[in-house]
Amino acid sequence: GENVEQHPSTLSVQEGDSAVIKCTYSDSASNYFPWYKQELGKGPQLIIDIRSNVGEKKDQRIAVTLNKTAKHFSLHITETQPEDSAVYFCAASRGSYIPTFGRGTSLIVHP
Amino acid sequence: DAGVIQSPRHEVTEMGQEVTLRCKPISGHDYLFWYRQTMMRGLELLIYFNNNVPIDDSGMPEDRFSAKMPNASFSTLKIQPSEPRDSAVYFCASSFNRVNSEAFFGQGTRLTVV
Repeated sequence: GENVEQHPSTLSVQEGDSAVIKCTYSDSASNYFPWYKQELGKGPQLIIDIRSNVGEKKDQRIAVTLNKTAKHFSLHITETQPEDSAVYFCAASRGSYIPTFGRGTSLIVHP
Repeated sequence: DAGVIQSPRHEVTEMGQEVTLRCKPISGHDYLFWYRQTMMRGLELLIYFNNNVPIDDSGMPEDRFSAKMPNASFSTLKIQPSEPRDSAVYFCASSFNRVNSEAFFGQGTRLTVV
């Protein structure tokens, strides 16, 4: 089955800095890569996703890049704000398979 | 729609007791998922349903765990008997049309077994 590795487990940045979270996956047939944000006391919420037919996708301050050859994808958050503090999960899946989640990255943005 | 609704939000129970967690998915969604979240293991998929039918329960840890979906608007996850190692946050999620589309998560049930 799919195996997703996520790094780092904790990331601490100053407000205004950029944050990058990286994930690798094992199944070369995976073609769907969502990112979820989990705020304290809440369930994860989708913030952006990318499918394998594109290499990059942006939505305001967040962007995701995909390198299918190397089997890794990354989440980039620019101009971080305190409200970006949360746990972020990457996931990967193919076809009719349920996405496999990474272990999560706790992002702390210091004011 | 109010989103995925789970109850209770918190549950504290004694070891050996039966625990039932409840979930109401978003109306019209045909997939329902139960996840468990712990520090040690992250987010684990326990079981998922499609059109009320269990499709894959390979993530259910033991026979003590069971899940049902009697209709499109309600699902339960039952643990009997409960053990301290079952302490975790349990999430229900639902999605529309296919498994690899956006999953909408409930707020979770924090279960503590003492």
